[in-house]
Amino acid sequence: DAGVIQSPRHEVTEMGQEVTLRCKPISGHNSLFWYRQTMMRGLELLIYFNNNVPIDDSGMPEDRFSAKMPNASFSTLKIQPSEPRDSAVYFCATRGTQTYEQYFGPGTRLTVT
Amino acid sequence: RKEVEQDPGPFNVPEGATVAFNCTYSNSASQSFFWYRQDCRKEPKLLMSVYSSGNEDGRFTAQLNRASQYISLLIRDSKLSDSATYLCVVLNQAGTALIFGKGTTLSVSS
Repeated sequence: DAGVIQSPRHEVTEMGQEVTLRCKPISGHNSLFWYRQTMMRGLELLIYFNNNVPIDDSGMPEDRFSAKMPNASFSTLKIQPSEPRDSAVYFCATRGTQTYEQYFGPGTRLTVT
Repeated sequence: RKEVEQDPGPFNVPEGATVAFNCTYSNSASQSFFWYRQDCRKEPKLLMSVYSSGNEDGRFTAQLNRASQYISLLIRDSKLSDSATYLCVVLNQAGTALIFGKGTTLSVSS
């Protein structure tokens, strides 16, 4: 299995630009999580989908952030407009139905200048 | 109080040393616990689950003290390849999502 796939791996953009991060979950996994990791705050859960439906988005920092999961094999996290404080590594993780173990993608390292 | 707290370290130990990491969690209703490992600039990966009776996987031993809301990870005979950040993780009360500590960094030197 290919594992969780994220793109792009690195993104450098200017403040005010729109950023779209992409995630392809492991086939058959029905739960998908978006996390943000910084040195100061560690790994924070942003939003969680189950069977393509957003279940908990309480971690989304503000309205500039939005996430979608149009089907079982694709999810996006969008930041519009981006700000320098959004600079972080964004991870997508997925989980199957029989375990609590989450499998993480390699992450997208976002730098907003 | 943060939901999951860890000593950030770093812990600097020589090869062959035994090292222990501790973690406390705030929600007494939490039911499932884990240790994840994260290498530098990589994604977190599950190291082991933590069971009430304590469990061992090779050189790694995890223990849970529910009364004190305390989790530990013991690494015996440290290897250079054990150098990483170790994340203490608690399943939220709803059983839907994992809550991560900020991690403890271990550096093993020869």
